[in-house]
Amino acid sequence: ETGVTQSPTHLIKTRGQQVTLRCSSQSGHNTVSWYQQALGQGPQFIFQYYREEENGRGNFPPRFSGLQFPNYSSELNVNALELDDSALYLCASSHLGASLAKNIQYFGAGTRLSVL
Amino acid sequence: AQSVTQLDSHVSVSEGTPVLLRCNYSSSYSPSLFWYVQHPNKGLQLLLKYTSAATLVKGINGFEAEFKKSETSFHLTKPSAHMSDAAEYFCAGTQGGSEKLVFGKGTKLTVNP
Repeated sequence: ETGVTQSPTHLIKTRGQQVTLRCSSQSGHNTVSWYQQALGQGPQFIFQYYREEENGRGNFPPRFSGLQFPNYSSELNVNALELDDSALYLCASSHLGASLAKNIQYFGAGTRLSVL
Repeated sequence: AQSVTQLDSHVSVSEGTPVLLRCNYSSSYSPSLFWYVQHPNKGLQLLLKYTSAATLVKGINGFEAEFKKSETSFHLTKPSAHMSDAAEYFCAGTQGGSEKLVFGKGTKLTVNP
């Protein structure tokens, strides 16, 4: 177990709705990254949060947004859901500032989102 | 820009035989490279990580990978496959100081009895 927990595990929404996914990072970690994994594909980087600020973003539209809280937990919000948003959403926590050898992203089990 | 290519989408081996999962990378700078494993309905588990300290990296569950700069490769190997190794394997990399992981498309490993 990585100590990274995500909720909910599964979610079904309809097109146009909004969704919030949650992630609790591993103890001692200050950074959370979010990834989208479509069926049969590798994970794609959405964005990263460090000390409550966005610290890098992938090629995702603004309707994908996030938050990081003082306890380093995080939320991913997606507005105006589209069918193509159906995917496994993975959260990873790490410690920015750790040595290169120790800077590892630990993943949660993910939230599977289905958009109908 | 960093990119990672996994050369096989599916690899099938017999239990007790060697495993080879291939990964090539493309980067202008010295990358950090990773192998993760994903079992069905699970998140990603780190197998091993390369950070330039040693070209041969040993990971968990008997896996290891060798960084070959001349071939821009980071192939994952295991001497003897076990049924529990059946899963999806992802090669990933970062570049410079970025923590953004760039993943390959994955290789599904099947282990036959």
